[in-house]
Formats: sequence, C-alpha cells, structure tokens
Amino acid sequence: GESVGLHLPTLSVQEGDNSIINCAYSNSASDYFIWYKQESGKGPQFIIDIRSNMDKRQGQRVTVLLNKTVKHLSLQIAATQPGDSAVYFCAENWDTGRRALTFGSGTRLQVQP
Amino acid sequence: GAGVSQSPRYKVTKRGQDVALRCDPISGHVSLYWYRQALGQGPEFLTYFNYEAQQDKSGLPNDRFSAERPEGSISTLTIQRTEQRDSAMYRCASSLEGGGNQPQHFGDGTRLSIL
Repeated sequence: GESVGLHLPTLSVQEGDNSIINCAYSNSASDYFIWYKQESGKGPQFIIDIRSNMDKRQGQRVTVLLNKTVKHLSLQIAATQPGDSAVYFCAENWDTGRRALTFGSGTRLQVQP
Repeated sequence: GAGVSQSPRYKVTKRGQDVALRCDPISGHVSLYWYRQALGQGPEFLTYFNYEAQQDKSGLPNDRFSAERPEGSISTLTIQRTEQRDSAMYRCASSLEGGGNQPQHFGDGTRLSIL
C-alpha cells in the first residue's frame, strides 16, 4: 500500500510503554478536536474527539488532553502495542457552521517489540 | 456497508481527460465531505454536503472541480480537463448530522494519477 508520512517526526517507544503524541493547533477559536490514526494504504481512522469545553477525555487505552491557554493537544496511549504503529494526526474545527477539519502535520509512532 | 466506500481505488488517466470519483457514505450519515491528501500530509478540505445540499465548496481549487450528491447519499467528485497537479489521494468522509461537531469517518480513498 502507499506509504504515509515519509518524512514526519517520529516517536519510537518500547512495547508496553506509554506514548504521548503532541500537537500544537493553530486557531484559538477552534472548538472541536479529533485524533486520527492512519496506517499505510488506509484512510484516517477516528480515535477520540474532544470539545473545547473539556480539558480531558478518556477512551479505551487513550486519553486526550486539551490546553487552550497554549493551544496544545496531546494523545496519550497506554501500554503501547505493535498494532499502534501508524501516523497520528490531530485535526481541529474552528467554524462549526463550516464543519471542515484542519489537519496538523502528523507524527509517526513506531513501537519496538 | 460498514464503512465509507470509495471507487475506484486507483485511477490513472491522461492529462486533459475528465474523471469522476465516487463515494458511498456510511448508512444513515447525513453529512459527507471530500478531502485531498498529499503524501506525507494530512487531508485538506475540498467540499461538504448536508443531505443533498452542498454547504461549503470553499476548498475546491478551481472551477474544474465540482461535486454533487443528488439524492443525499452517494456523492461524485468530478475533475474536468485534468492536469498533472491534480494527482493526489482523494478521500471522502461522512458523519452523523447533529448539533455541534460529529466525528468524520474516512474511506480508504481514490489514488488519482494524471500522466
């Protein structure tokens, strides 16, 4: 399949460790944020979302933290597994009437067995 | 089907030809989006529909690009008089309608190559 993220920043972690992927978003008016996981040859896969009235949201093995003061978003993955290896994108929406998502540049996560 | 379905998966055509890319959203999803993704980058927004109404086409690069969703389900993105710079992965996404934002779920895309 096609290769995603050939020259992206890479985070390398050991299997079983926790991973933290960071994202700086661009627009202080953004009120909705999503994290996506993208494997080679596949479309972005929804992981978790958060609205601007929250600063933390938890899912299964994942936690998203939102710091609006510094326009920072992070994705924490607990007990990282080889299947978590992929490119991760954060996306923001700054106009609910428009619904368009603006994506960040992506981070490649490599899980070492 | 369970997910967003796009066809064809790959399309190779000569410069100057017209192409039509198809998207079948998740059943029951009211909103449908088209994005374009360059290698190594995140998707970039092209256009968006609610039911059959095109709500926003501000991301379409020029008037060679158009999209329709005549019955509020399947959508077609058409590129006329294709140019080499149109080569990219074209992705479709769909979401439930509702107050506030809903997650957009993406298909596996159509890889368009213009010779």
